[in-house]
Amino acid sequence: NAGVTQTPKFRVLKTGQSMTLLCAQDMNHEYMYWYRQDPGMGLRLIHYSVGEGTTAKGEVPDGYNVSRLKKQNFLLGLESAAPSQTSVYFCASSWSSGGAYNEQFFGPGTRLTVL
Amino acid sequence: AQSVSQHNHHVILSEAASLELGCNYSYGGTVNLFWYVQYPGQHLQLLLKYFSGDPLVKGIKGFEAEFIKSKFSFNLRKPSVQWSDTAEYFCAVIAGYSSASKIIFGSGTRLSIRP
Repeated sequence: NAGVTQTPKFRVLKTGQSMTLLCAQDMNHEYMYWYRQDPGMGLRLIHYSVGEGTTAKGEVPDGYNVSRLKKQNFLLGLESAAPSQTSVYFCASSWSSGGAYNEQFFGPGTRLTVL
Repeated sequence: AQSVSQHNHHVILSEAASLELGCNYSYGGTVNLFWYVQYPGQHLQLLLKYFSGDPLVKGIKGFEAEFIKSKFSFNLRKPSVQWSDTAEYFCAVIAGYSSASKIIFGSGTRLSIRP
């Protein structure tokens, strides 16, 4: 049982380049999330999904797009990377958002640097 | 808008000292409360959570937290810290039980333990 995995672990981009981060979970969770973690700011929600085929905006969605074509995968795309997107990106998943089964399980993170 | 405040940004303690990390939230209704820990270079892991019932919650590795509704607080405690507790600690809140309820993280408290 791998839990939540993220690909790649590290990436360096030049301004204007594009890339896709992949998140996969094998726990059959309905909910999936993408966060960015910046020093002194905790985790901020970028986008989330409440089920296959659905996506919704979080707190800081600008400059990012997401897709949830399969229940187990949640992709985060940067169409035109900017230095302000230098961050550590975490994916998470959960059974639900409310109630007893809303614990989020996190992936190991992707460290992205945009030059 | 809901928010979570962690007033201690960096706490330095000696081994065997007692620990209390503060967490306050702003939401008047039903909440789920969490403490996550992030060890150096690792992803976030759940320490403990409050869903309902006994407001004193016990988690892993000897940590506990007390939900005080009248103070909107969920402080984390440990009677005797160890060097291995060096990590960043995040308080988080889910307000309400709908599918739109999203988790809000505090900015984190970095804990450094002197051997």
